[in-house]
Amino acid sequence: GQNIDQPTEMTATEGAIVQINCTYQTSGFNGLFWYQQHAGEAPTFLSYNVLDGLEEKGRFSSFLSRSKGYSYLLLKELQMKDSASYLCAVRGAGGGSYIPTFGRGTSLIVHP
Amino acid sequence: KAGVTQTPRYLIKTRGQQVTLSCSPISGHRSVSWYQQTPGQGLQFLFEYFSETQRNKGNFPGRFSGRQFSNSRSEMNVSTLELGDSALYLCASSPRGGDTGELFFGEGSRLTVL
Repeated sequence: GQNIDQPTEMTATEGAIVQINCTYQTSGFNGLFWYQQHAGEAPTFLSYNVLDGLEEKGRFSSFLSRSKGYSYLLLKELQMKDSASYLCAVRGAGGGSYIPTFGRGTSLIVHP
Repeated sequence: KAGVTQTPRYLIKTRGQQVTLSCSPISGHRSVSWYQQTPGQGLQFLFEYFSETQRNKGNFPGRFSGRQFSNSRSEMNVSTLELGDSALYLCASSPRGGDTGELFFGEGSRLTVL
């Protein structure tokens, strides 16, 4: 099975940097995703990591350490519109385990 | 390119009734997955269809069922509704499923069971 843990809620200030952590335990590993979901809207894809290291995409970066079962999403130069839920999802390996398992999400509140 | 479309967006049912939700994937996408989202449990996988075949099923009771048509559109049905079925039901499509990465989600169907 798969177990994914991320903080329930975080707050930060506009213009600051915030790091959202995700730890996981899986039987096999075939990639980790981050999705953003604004209230009342569909989740949208942010990043995908399958190898160790940092993937940078504009203000957002995602890091993966497979040996530690750990990932983080780094948001720089926070804007009010970044207030949303951030979902970590892990995909296993083999059979139907390619279906990603989602964590419960981290609700990020950005204050002015 | 149109996104994933789910209908209806909102619906209210009473216990014991049944409901059918519809999902039209992005044109060309053959894999459709369904998820249930609740505040307490987050996104829970229901099932995945590919080329009209159910390939994977999550840990939900048999009251939850689905199907996929030849045009890749999918429906899910919940029979004998319970209060605990109140949730946002999300559909996601991807080009092939399996080794693909990104899921493209619809805005969901919010079901309230009274």
